[in-house]
Amino acid sequence: AQSVAQPEDQVNVAEGNPLTVKCTYSVSGNPYLFWYVQYPNRGLQFLLKYITGDNLVKGSYGFEAEFNKSQTSFHLKKPSALVSDSALYFCAVRDNRGSTLGRLYFGRGTQLTVWP
Amino acid sequence: EAQVTQNPRYLITVTGKKLTVTCSQNMNHEYMSWYRQDPGLGLRQIYYSMNVEVTDKGDVPEGYKVSRKEKRNFPLILESPSPNQTSLYFCASSLRGGLGEQYFGPGTRLTVT
Repeated sequence: AQSVAQPEDQVNVAEGNPLTVKCTYSVSGNPYLFWYVQYPNRGLQFLLKYITGDNLVKGSYGFEAEFNKSQTSFHLKKPSALVSDSALYFCAVRDNRGSTLGRLYFGRGTQLTVWP
Repeated sequence: EAQVTQNPRYLITVTGKKLTVTCSQNMNHEYMSWYRQDPGLGLRQIYYSMNVEVTDKGDVPEGYKVSRKEKRNFPLILESPSPNQTSLYFCASSLRGGLGEQYFGPGTRLTVT
């Protein structure tokens, strides 16, 4: 079955320190992977995606993600965290099988808190 | 301005009273989708549509209906709402069958008593 796991419900990091939000996936075929962010009382916003190509993907607000096929992971990273990065982060994978092409599976979300 | 709009934003209703949540996008996107967000469960896809007149079930379609008669609109219908459908609902759209970034609406908070 297609699925996404975000093993940490909560990640806390000091401002200025690097941050990592973890995501692992299970999918048949080539994975199409996404990260979204949700600020309080807002809809989700796209951060970045991996479709093909370079394993290191750069996205919005200084975030990047590393695709690792052997570990089936797509961890979100930022070299230097800001207090304003505090939000709920979701990893997602798109189903590429014929009968369910277009379905999207989201993780449960990771709450990132950056303290001053 | 490119956007996805949802109406209503807040709705309190009673069990069994049919309701429709509208969703409209102005970006000419082929792909549209509905999600519900519940604490501890993340986002779960209810239904999605790859294009006009093409709709498919997501993870949690029970109790919901959708239609896609026009490219810009994708309403979510609850024929007989129940309390377990109390949730925060998001509509989204994207290009390329969901391969493009999804643009999310502001959300509809539904309470069924």
